[in-house]
Amino acid sequence: SQTIHQWPATLVQPVGSPLSLECTVEGTSNPNLYWYRQAAGRGLQLLFYSVGIGQISSEVPQNLSASRPQDRQFILSSKKLLLSDSGFYLCAWTVAGGSGNTIYFGEGSWLTVV
Amino acid sequence: GNSVTQMEGPVTLSEEAFLTINCTYTATGYPSLFWYVQYPGEGLQLLLKATKADDKGSNKGFEATYRKETTSFHLEKGSVQVSDSAVYFCALSGGSNYKLTFGKGTLLTVNP
Repeated sequence: SQTIHQWPATLVQPVGSPLSLECTVEGTSNPNLYWYRQAAGRGLQLLFYSVGIGQISSEVPQNLSASRPQDRQFILSSKKLLLSDSGFYLCAWTVAGGSGNTIYFGEGSWLTVV
Repeated sequence: GNSVTQMEGPVTLSEEAFLTINCTYTATGYPSLFWYVQYPGEGLQLLLKATKADDKGSNKGFEATYRKETTSFHLEKGSVQVSDSAVYFCALSGGSNYKLTFGKGTLLTVNP
């Protein structure tokens, strides 16, 4: 069966510090991968998606970047965090054409920028 | 572009009450429709889905029917429990990259 893991689960970072959130998917190959953000009291916003290694699409201009160094690994980064980067970050995956296009989510990472 | 509108919360019910959370969508083509649930402090879990018109998704006593004529996918449960307290998100998936478009979420609180 397929599983998705992301870490760290919780982190508190000072303004101006770097960020790296990692996500890996197991039990499948060539998944589509996604990073979503959920800000406090708001809905979910798609930040990045990737259809293959090295292929990243950005949905909104922002202080963050994403990379996909391996087929099942997706990394969210920032060189200098802003207060507005605080939120709940969710990694997700799907297999193109499978399971009715169902997207499955990881456990999420809580980021607080102070 | 695609969009999802779901009823504003919060919704507060007593245990064993009937639940309806309305969801309507705008999309080109034939999207798949989903309900996700988020329990406090956790990620999103798929609750149910429907991939074509008139399909009914169901899980854990929850149901939703894909109504193309009214572009709706309302979530219902006949008798809610305290453990159903969570945020519920309606979403659609369309296009070649299967990106999800979410509604803003509805907070449900069920009191004993």
